[in-house]
Amino acid sequence: NAGVTQTPKFQVLKTGQSMTLQCAQDMNHEYMSWYRQDPGMGLRLIHYSVGAGITDQGEVPNGYNVSRSTTEDFPLRLLSAAPSQTSVYFCASSYGLAFGYEQYFGPGTRLTVT
Amino acid sequence: GDSVTQMEGPVTLSEEAFLTINCTYTATGYPSLFWYVQYPGEGLQLLLKATKADDKGSNKGFEATYRKETTSFHLEKGSVQVSDSAVYFCARETSGSRLTFGEGTQLTVNP
Repeated sequence: NAGVTQTPKFQVLKTGQSMTLQCAQDMNHEYMSWYRQDPGMGLRLIHYSVGAGITDQGEVPNGYNVSRSTTEDFPLRLLSAAPSQTSVYFCASSYGLAFGYEQYFGPGTRLTVT
Repeated sequence: GDSVTQMEGPVTLSEEAFLTINCTYTATGYPSLFWYVQYPGEGLQLLLKATKADDKGSNKGFEATYRKETTSFHLEKGSVQVSDSAVYFCARETSGSRLTFGEGTQLTVNP
């Protein structure tokens, strides 16, 4: 099992550009989520999905878009990059959380917006 | 809303010292509680968890007890090693099958 994979590992964008961060998991997990990590702020939830075709907003969804057409993939789209979106982005997947199921995290994508 | 408050860092210890990282959570419902660890340049990985009051999670010499009366889930280790240097995150289950994280505590262990 590859677990949770993310591409790219690093990316530099100019303000106004768009891009898609890729996330895939091979554990047949229903639940997937995207977080951003900023110094001193822990991880904040951007969007999440409880299954294919179902997505919902997290704590900081503005400027980001998601879709979930398959169980395996959960891409995150930046529509028009802004310097405030400079961050490290983590994708995670899980069977769920109601019974203390573990979230498995990808290695992260470090994004810089200039 | 739901929140998690962690002891502010960074924390610097000598090898074999005792470690405590404090974590408290808002007392809405009966959430599962977690400690995650992030080693340099990597994603987060689960260190331990507890799913109900008075449960003790343990792994790799680390322990944390779910204390409902004090809404706390403090992380402890009796003797830290250089290899324990990392960022530690406390987290609670939040409504809608989500996780709410604390700010993270950077731990550095010197030989």
